[in-house]
Amino acid sequence: EAQVTQNPRYLITVTGKKLTVTCSQNMNHEYMSWYRQDPGLGLRQIYYSMNVEVTDKGDVPEGYKVSRKEKRNFPLILESPSPNQTSLYFCASSLRGSPRFQFFGPGTRLTVL
Amino acid sequence: EDQVTQSPEALRLQEGESSSLNCSYTVSGLRGLFWYRQDPGKGPEFLFTLYSAGEEKEKERLKATLTKKESFLHITAPKPEDSATYLCAVQRNRDDKIIFGKGTRLHILP
Repeated sequence: EAQVTQNPRYLITVTGKKLTVTCSQNMNHEYMSWYRQDPGLGLRQIYYSMNVEVTDKGDVPEGYKVSRKEKRNFPLILESPSPNQTSLYFCASSLRGSPRFQFFGPGTRLTVL
Repeated sequence: EDQVTQSPEALRLQEGESSSLNCSYTVSGLRGLFWYRQDPGKGPEFLFTLYSAGEEKEKERLKATLTKKESFLHITAPKPEDSATYLCAVQRNRDDKIIFGKGTRLHILP
C-alpha cells in the first residue's frame, strides 16, 4: 500500500531536549516536504527536498533541520525545541517537479513544555 | 508578497444546497494550483491540480476552476460526508515552494 508514515504520532517533551520526527515513503517519490499546521495560520512549509542530498527552506525553517540521505526518508530534527514549536506536523511526498498527487502522512502532534 | 486567501472561512449548507468556495492568489509565476480535503485529525488528501487559466477538473460532486487570479471549488448537491476543511495551495515556478491558504471549513447539515 502506497503510504507516508511518520513517527511518533504524538510526543510531549520539554524545552531544549533534542528530538527527531521520522518520515518515510514507499512510493519512490523524489519530492518530500515538512509542514506545520497551527490554528488560524494554516499549513506552512518548513523545509522541502527535491531529491537526495537536496534540501531547501520553506516559509518557517527557523529552529528546524532536515536531511535527505536516502530517497525514502526525510527526518525533521528539532535541536533545541521551544514551546512555540508546539504544533501539528505533516510530512508529504510526491513525484518530482510538482506536488501533484502529493501524499500526506497522518501527522505528528508535538507539545513542547 | 506571494499569498493565498480562501473565503469564506466557514460555510454551513443544507444537504443538496450547492455553493462555491473561493481561493484568490498572488504569486510570482504559478506552476500549479492545488485543492485538498482535510478531515479532522488527518492529513490533507489531494483532490485536484490546475495549471492554467480556463482549466476545469471534476470529481463526483466537486468541480474546480481556475482564472488568472482565483480558483473556485464548486460543490453541487452536497451530502453530509462532504463536510471537511478544503485547502487551496499554489506552487511557484522559481523555487517550487508551496503556499497554502488557511482553508474553508465546510459543514453540510442533513
